Amino acid sequence: DQQVKQNSPSLSVQEGRISILNCDYTNSMFDYFLWYKKYPAEGPTFLISISSIKDKNEDGRFTVFLNKSAKHLSLHIVPSQPGDSAVYFCAGVWSGGSNYKLTFGKGTLLTVNP
Amino acid sequence: ETGVTQSPTHLIKTRGQQVTLRCSSQSGHNTVSWYQQALGQGPQFIFQYYREEENGRGNFPPRFSGLQFPNYSSELNVNALELDDSALYLCASSLTSGRAELFFGEGSRLTVL
Repeated sequence: DQQVKQNSPSLSVQEGRISILNCDYTNSMFDYFLWYKKYPAEGPTFLISISSIKDKNEDGRFTVFLNKSAKHLSLHIVPSQPGDSAVYFCAGVWSGGSNYKLTFGKGTLLTVNP
Repeated sequence: ETGVTQSPTHLIKTRGQQVTLRCSSQSGHNTVSWYQQALGQGPQFIFQYYREEENGRGNFPPRFSGLQFPNYSSELNVNALELDDSALYLCASSLTSGRAELFFGEGSRLTVL
């Protein structure tokens, strides 16, 4: 049962353009979402998060949008840079539990071409 | 500030053997979580330790066990290794058990033959 789905295994964009990475979830208990970026041979690094009470959170070139009714969130990167090439993971979490267990999607490989 | 460090980075074991993976959490972080990332998959939650006690467990059998020490470092032990245990094992630390932003180490790549 995949509670967090990233249906696009890969995405390729041109440098300077917008990258849009999508994520769908099925667990209505999730009240917090995070995006992580992973380079080869490195652990995932936290990128940006959003609480379910918000529909948008922005941090520099990165913006995450949340559509609760559609159970969909997206990460926008503008402008895209070659250094953004990495695997991006979406994760949901329920803050009502005793621990903050993250449920990850399978990831999307973003390639930004110079 | 020292980040999360894991050892060993790579190791090869055979079916039926036991393995211990180690993790030093980021300075000041008292909560450690372990995740398994199989090839082509996202990380899957194994368990979390907070103040030396297990504080939640994912859908993994009892042969996956862990420890957290007073200095907040941690171990992941896997007994009776199976081929499907081949994966990247990620350790992550956080400031408290109530923070979702995790700081991950580089991982330990386990291959079971």
